[in-house]
Amino acid sequence: GAVVSQHPSWVICKSGTSVKIECRSLDFQATTMFWYRQFPKQSLMLMATSNEGSKATYEQGVEKDKFLINHASLTLSTLTVTSAHPEDSSFYICSARDLGGGSANYGYTFGSGTRLTVV
Amino acid sequence: QKEVEQNSGPLSVPEGAIASLNCTYSDRGSQSFFWYRQYSGKSPELIMFIYSNGDKEDGRFTAQLNKASQYVSLLIRDSQPSDSATYLCAVNYGDYKLSFGAGTTVTVRA
Repeated sequence: GAVVSQHPSWVICKSGTSVKIECRSLDFQATTMFWYRQFPKQSLMLMATSNEGSKATYEQGVEKDKFLINHASLTLSTLTVTSAHPEDSSFYICSARDLGGGSANYGYTFGSGTRLTVV
Repeated sequence: QKEVEQNSGPLSVPEGAIASLNCTYSDRGSQSFFWYRQYSGKSPELIMFIYSNGDKEDGRFTAQLNKASQYVSLLIRDSQPSDSATYLCAVNYGDYKLSFGAGTTVTVRA
């Protein structure tokens, strides 16, 4: 089945530094990648949507200059948290939608998530 | 993002019982509805999706959709301790985006 590999699974960084999170679709082409953030005991909140080769579309309230998204190919999308602060500590999850739509999961495949802790 | 409301938890059921989860959504244009299970510290995993009014059964799980009432539910029959998790309702809207509910935490007592 469709697999999205997300790395790193967890990262601790110092306040003010940047962190890059990668999501790769291993066996399908991801036309669209969605990036979510989940704070403890809260649901997934969509941060942005990216399509291969074009600029990401950010949800209201999400700073595009702080959360840089690159979707340079149909198999790779990255999220860079720039100048991270403790309030950015969260669980970040990517989700890819494949060209074929997919029957097993109706076209959405989630990465395993990245736990970011900013100290 | 569109509003998705789930019944507040936590929900505690004895092993073998039926767990009933409810979800309402605000966008009348939504066409696809999903139930995900999420274990602590893990990403969501799909249980079922439904897009037609009525019931859809898959093993011990049954999803029910009523678009007129903007309501979708999930029944878990013969609940097992391994079903203990947070269940997220998600609704599709515009450009294939998903809006998630806050989740209902289910605990199955052995």
